[in-house]
Amino acid sequence: QVQLQESGPGLVKPSQTLSLTCTVSGGSISSGGYYWSWIRQHPGKGLEWIGYIYYSGSTYYNPSLKSRVTISVDTSKNQFSLKLSSVTAADTAVYYCARVAGYCSGGSCYSPFDYWGQGTLVTVSS
Amino acid sequence: EIVLTQSPGTLSLSPGERATLSCRASQSVSSSYLAWYQQKPGQAPRLLIYGASSRATGIPDRFSGSGSGTDFTLTISRLEPEDFAVYYCQQYGSSTGYTFGQGTKLEIK
Repeated sequence: QVQLQESGPGLVKPSQTLSLTCTVSGGSISSGGYYWSWIRQHPGKGLEWIGYIYYSGSTYYNPSLKSRVTISVDTSKNQFSLKLSSVTAADTAVYYCARVAGYCSGGSCYSPFDYWGQGTLVTVSS
Repeated sequence: EIVLTQSPGTLSLSPGERATLSCRASQSVSSSYLAWYQQKPGQAPRLLIYGASSRATGIPDRFSGSGSGTDFTLTISRLEPEDFAVYYCQQYGSSTGYTFGQGTKLEIK
């Protein structure tokens, strides 16, 4: 059974960089066949996809966040990470990591998210 | 970007009743790349339906999905107490990534 777990600071100051890590257990990121994603949910609101990464390091980001987002992978630790720069209060949200149940090419992914982490709340405030 | 609009915003029903939730896309969703998720308070979303009509692993058969093109429906045939939650539709396969609907809250009447 694949499990994902987010970790990172729960409080970030405005203009700083938000950094989160997702640790995957029950399966190896480097075995391939799956893509790994970040999604966020503003308090009491809907879901917003942030981007994905493959174990090779190939990425694709939501165009609306692209200028501020970096997703990276560390296969030796079976982890992938999110960095979101120049944060404001509008970036306050629950951040989820998730597995794409199949293949992606460019901006097109052909599967939904089948496994999710439990989510971590990040608050942007001074 | 494909915009998904869900209706109604809130649906009030009683256990045992049938629930019908709608998701309309601003443009055609290719190859029926449409999924439905259930989210309960304090939990991550849970995949229910993918490919518009295929149930995910372990999902009871009272959940069914239908539709194509721009109009999709999630039906829960007989509501159980644990089905009261927020439901999101999601499209995938577009060239600009994933988008979600704004959600339908299914509440106990």
